[in-house]
Amino acid sequence: GAGVSQSPSNKVTEKGKDVELRCDPISGHTALYWYRQSLGQGLEFLIYFQGNSAPDKSGLPSDRFSAERTGGSVSTLTIQRTQQEDSAVYLCASSLGGQGAEQYFGPGTRLTVT
Amino acid sequence: AQSVTQLDSQVPVFEEAPVELRCNYSSSVSVYLFWYVQYPNQGLQLLLKYLSGSTLVKGINGFEAEFNKSQTSFHLRKPSVHISDTAEYFCAVRGYSTLTFGKGTMLLVSP
Repeated sequence: GAGVSQSPSNKVTEKGKDVELRCDPISGHTALYWYRQSLGQGLEFLIYFQGNSAPDKSGLPSDRFSAERTGGSVSTLTIQRTQQEDSAVYLCASSLGGQGAEQYFGPGTRLTVT
Repeated sequence: AQSVTQLDSQVPVFEEAPVELRCNYSSSVSVYLFWYVQYPNQGLQLLLKYLSGSTLVKGINGFEAEFNKSQTSFHLRKPSVHISDTAEYFCAVRGYSTLTFGKGTMLLVSP
């Protein structure tokens, strides 16, 4: 079956512009996660959705970052007024929920802010 | 709070040699531990996980890991590596809502 998909795969934007990153989770997965992977920082948790609500937003680095999930499915991560330090690979994962459930990762979106 | 320490950023090894990638964790909740692999230009793939039960966990591609509660470790091992095992390996511990990852270990297998 289809895995987690993310779009775009690559995004180059100018400093100060807004960007939207999309994640399509595996059908039926109630939990959805966003992570950021950058050199020197490893994998950082950003936000977690259970259904359409986000019980844990503790990893969002600033109020320029926001995310939403609609219909218990697709999620969008929005970064406003992008800065060069936002350059990273943004990874989305989904799971059936529960602490032991495997998280399935998408291929990521590589964001470059010039 | 949860944290994961991967002591080695890079591990070079020759093909067919054994390898151990080290991982130490701390967790304030029940301990669920994971190893993920990331091949070049690909997403993360689960290698194995420990939830409970036997402390020796076997995963895909011939990898295994041993949970050691007293040493708070979850080291990954493979008795004989292949060139195709060249990748970055991440250890992770489950918290209340998500995974906390280590910074990764790059396994470099050469002929």
